[in-house]
Amino acid sequence: GENVEQHPSTLSVQEGDSAVIKCTYSDSASNYFPWYKQELGKGPQLIIDIRSNVGEKKDQRIAVTLNKTAKHFSLHITETQPEDSAVYFCAASPRRALTFGSGTRLQVQP
Amino acid sequence: GAGVSQSPSNKVTEKGKDVELRCDPISGHTALYWYRQSLGQGLEFLIYFQGNSAPDKSGLPSDRFSAERTGGSVSTLTIQRTQQEDSAVYLCASSLLRAISYNEQFFGPGTRLTVL
Repeated sequence: GENVEQHPSTLSVQEGDSAVIKCTYSDSASNYFPWYKQELGKGPQLIIDIRSNVGEKKDQRIAVTLNKTAKHFSLHITETQPEDSAVYFCAASPRRALTFGSGTRLQVQP
Repeated sequence: GAGVSQSPSNKVTEKGKDVELRCDPISGHTALYWYRQSLGQGLEFLIYFQGNSAPDKSGLPSDRFSAERTGGSVSTLTIQRTQQEDSAVYLCASSLLRAISYNEQFFGPGTRLTVL
């Protein structure tokens, strides 16, 4: 089955700096790669996703890149703000159910 | 519109008891998923429903776990004879699944289950 590795497990940045989270996946059949943000006590919230026919996607301060050859994808957050502090999960989907990474706890220091 | 809702938000039970967790998906969403999130961990797939097709139960950890979806909408996850290792947050998600590669899943707030 699919296996998703996510790094780093924790990330601390200064407000205004950029943050990058990286994931690798194992199943070449995976064709959908979402990123979720989870705040304490809440369910995961979809923040951006990318499909296998696209190499990069951007939405305001958030961007995701995908390298299908290398089987890795990354989340980039620019101009970080304290409200970006949360746990971020990547996921991959070769079929219907999502396989999630283990999460990255992002702390933005004001 | 309304998002995915789950009830109860918290459930404390004694070891050996049965529990039922409920999920109301977004109206019109044909696919429904259950995931489990243990403390400080990622999400683990449990079961998936799509329309009238047979559910994908490949993620259920044991035969103590079962789920049903009535009328293509509300779903109930049942855990029989609960064990302490069942303690986790149980998350439900739904998606519209209009095309084979369209799998945008929206999550509910989860049910935090504590087995004493």
